Amino acid sequence: EVQLVESGGDLIRPGGSLRLSCAASGFSVISNYMSWVRQAPGKGLEWVSLIFTDGETQYADSVKGRFTISRDNSKNMLYLQMNSLRVDDTAIYYCAKIGVGASMPFDDWGQGTLVTVSS
Amino acid sequence: DIQMTQSPSSLSASVGDRVTITCRASQTISDYLNWYQGKPGKAPKLLIYAASRLHTGVPSRFSGSGSGTDFALTISSLQAEDFATYFCQESYTSFYTFGPGTKVDIK
Repeated sequence: EVQLVESGGDLIRPGGSLRLSCAASGFSVISNYMSWVRQAPGKGLEWVSLIFTDGETQYADSVKGRFTISRDNSKNMLYLQMNSLRVDDTAIYYCAKIGVGASMPFDDWGQGTLVTVSS
Repeated sequence: DIQMTQSPSSLSASVGDRVTITCRASQTISDYLNWYQGKPGKAPKLLIYAASRLHTGVPSRFSGSGSGTDFALTISSLQAEDFATYFCQESYTSFYTFGPGTKVDIK
């Protein structure tokens, strides 16, 4: 059974840094594209970042240059390093596994971890 | 960048109603369109992928249609557990843009 469990969310001041973790089980993070998605309070889903199976990465314009996605294949973990945090980064952050095949949807999601950026 | 729009932004319906939500892409995305259900405090759930394919375990009252730029999600007979927010998502690009969501609540 596929499981994704996020951790690392916290209350952090603007300008601070935080690292989110996502523990994966039931599959290998190196064998799938993996992504982070966030949802600000009362808002919709926003795609944040993606890591391809070859290790290449991609970011939304809103986080490019501030966030870094990575993975640890030996621990089967996905990470999101967030620097220069802003108030508008406040959101629940979900990690998601991207399926293979037709349209490559986000077929498994974690429960999310809350990041609050506030002074 | 591809922009995704949804309509309506919200709707009120009763159990047993047929509900249709539409999603439009700013440029053609073939059938690279997915639908998700979101509920407060819960992980989003994949319902439909590739515009019309039902994800494993999703009830058959959910269906998807469309291709190119115009898509629809239909719930044939709304159940109590279906009151939620529904999001479309393009996977034509690797930027995976979501639509703004359609909230379905109880009339």
